[in-house]
Amino acid sequence: NAGVTQTPKFQVLKTGQSMTLQCAQDMNHEYMSWYRQDPGMGLRLIHYSVGAGITDQGEVPNGYNVSRSTTEDFPLRLLSAAPSQTSVYFCASSTRGASGNSPLHFGNGTRLTVT
Amino acid sequence: GENVEQHPSTLSVQEGDSAVIKCTYSDSASNYFPWYKQELGKRPQLIIDIRSNVGEKKDQRIAVTLNKTAKHFSLHITETQPEDSAVYFCAASPNNFNKFYFGSGTKLNVKP
Repeated sequence: NAGVTQTPKFQVLKTGQSMTLQCAQDMNHEYMSWYRQDPGMGLRLIHYSVGAGITDQGEVPNGYNVSRSTTEDFPLRLLSAAPSQTSVYFCASSTRGASGNSPLHFGNGTRLTVT
Repeated sequence: GENVEQHPSTLSVQEGDSAVIKCTYSDSASNYFPWYKQELGKRPQLIIDIRSNVGEKKDQRIAVTLNKTAKHFSLHITETQPEDSAVYFCAASPNNFNKFYFGSGTKLNVKP
């Protein structure tokens, strides 16, 4: 199993450009989510999905869109990049455990710089 | 929404000493509390977790304690080693949709 695969690893954008961060998992996990990591602020939830066709907003959704057309894929779209979106982005997946919540499996991250 | 606070932000210990990292949460509905370790440039990886129906859990040199009444949980690392040096994050999840709220992280430095 590859686990959670994110592409690209690095990206530089100019202000106003749009792009899509790709995320795929091969563990048949129901839940997928996107977090951004900024220095001194931990990880903050952007959007999450509980299954194909179902998405919802997290703590910091503004400026980002998501869709979940398949169980495996959960792309994150930046509509019009801003310098405030410079961050490291992590995609994560998890399964619905018998006891409730279960641990997140993270991808390797995408380091995004917006100039 | 849930608010997770983590202390200290940096912690320096001598090899062999113990390290303790503390987190508090605000939402009494939170029922699952994982801890992640993140090495420089790498992804966070789970090291231990605890559910709200348990007060303590241990895995070799690592233990986590939970006080639901006070809404705080702590990570304890005994006999620290240089390879324990990393950033540690606590998290809390208040529902069964696997939404997590993270603390701001603790940078642990274990000096040989």
